[in-house]
Amino acid sequence: GEDVEQSLFLSVREGDSSVINCTYTDSSSTYLYWYKQEPGAGLQLLTYIFSNMDMKQDQRLTVLLNKKDKHLSLRIADTQTGDSAIYFCAESIGGSYIPTFGRGTSLIVHP
Amino acid sequence: SQTIHQWPATLVQPVGSPLSLECTVEGTSNPNLYWYRQAAGRGLQLLFYSVGIGQISSEVPQNLSASRPQDRQFILSSKKLLLSDSGFYLCAWSVRNERDTQYFGPGTRLTVL
Repeated sequence: GEDVEQSLFLSVREGDSSVINCTYTDSSSTYLYWYKQEPGAGLQLLTYIFSNMDMKQDQRLTVLLNKKDKHLSLRIADTQTGDSAIYFCAESIGGSYIPTFGRGTSLIVHP
Repeated sequence: SQTIHQWPATLVQPVGSPLSLECTVEGTSNPNLYWYRQAAGRGLQLLFYSVGIGQISSEVPQNLSASRPQDRQFILSSKKLLLSDSGFYLCAWSVRNERDTQYFGPGTRLTVL
């Protein structure tokens, strides 16, 4: 069955890079996503990557996909206090209507 | 551009009272619509999804129900709330294509006392 795993917490110092990791089990995944949830708010789509890509970069965000190990990571460069949030990894299999979400990683950025 | 609205933003209800949460989407047609519950600020539990008017699929058996009376309106209801219904309820929509990217509303915080 489908399963998406993430570590629950990550603490970094302001200005450092953050790397949030995610593993998934379904090799037929077509799209993989990263969402950000700030306290008391809905989920905001940060970025996504198609399964035939290895890397995608968007400003301070870099997504790496290792299909062999079914491992997805989100790197945030120069992490700021405003980056403190819960980050959700999700996978979808094309046309299934229902992505599978991980439980979220709480990123804590301290001065 | 597309926007998604949820109301109310916050709700406190007694046990046994009814519930109606509303979600509407603007700027798109024929969206897939979803209701999720998030307990204690953690993972998402899919409750219902809909691929069209009057078409509702339930993922988790419980005392909640959903309806889609219009193309861009999705309603979550209960006849009698339980304490365990407390949580953060999120509505989402997606375009019917292979990507299935979901876009979320701002959420409703429900506290059942």
